Amino acid sequence: GQSLEQPSEVTAVEGAIVQINCTYQTSGFYGLSWYQQHDGGAPTFLSYNALDGLEETGRFSSFLSRSDSYGYLLLQELQMKDSASYFCAVGSTGFQKLVFGTGTRLLVSP
Amino acid sequence: DTEVTQTPKHLVMGMTNKKSLKCEQHMGHRAMYWYKQKAKKPPELMFVYSYEKLSINESVPSRFSPECPNSSLLNLHLHALQPEDSALYLCASSQGGGAGDYGYTFGSGTRLTVV
Repeated sequence: GQSLEQPSEVTAVEGAIVQINCTYQTSGFYGLSWYQQHDGGAPTFLSYNALDGLEETGRFSSFLSRSDSYGYLLLQELQMKDSASYFCAVGSTGFQKLVFGTGTRLLVSP
Repeated sequence: DTEVTQTPKHLVMGMTNKKSLKCEQHMGHRAMYWYKQKAKKPPELMFVYSYEKLSINESVPSRFSPECPNSSLLNLHLHALQPEDSALYLCASSQGGGAGDYGYTFGSGTRLTVV
């Protein structure tokens, strides 16, 4: 089967750094991406890793280790507006070309 | 234009009603998708329209039927829905629809309530 596991919830304070992990098991692998979704809103694309290593986009960075079937999203200088759900997603063969993780709810407090 | 436009934003319908959700994109993407999302869950793929071919998630009941009038539009027709079908329905598009696609663009969704 296909599965992507994430912690269900992470809490942090403004200005802190937080890491959201994702472990995956999929049929085929075509990169790991991350999406942010605010309550009641649509998922928005944040980042993509096709190869091992760290990709940095402003305050957000994403890491991939294909040998470990593992990746993470790193959020720095947290702001209240970062409170949202974060989904990892893997490009895969089969009907679901993009398989979403279970999602992590990030709560940022003052 | 880098948006996926969905209408309506909210819909309340009875179990005997027929309604349609509309989705449009003008990014030249060759693949469009319908997802269903329940609260605190990841999006679940219902249908894919890619390169003029429709693919169906076999677990989706027949009371949901997609229609693709052209490569920029993907509608979802609803008929005889059940209360458990209440959810956020998301439309998305991507460049080609292959496994290597990333950076899906999602519409703002239709919040559907079946009464």
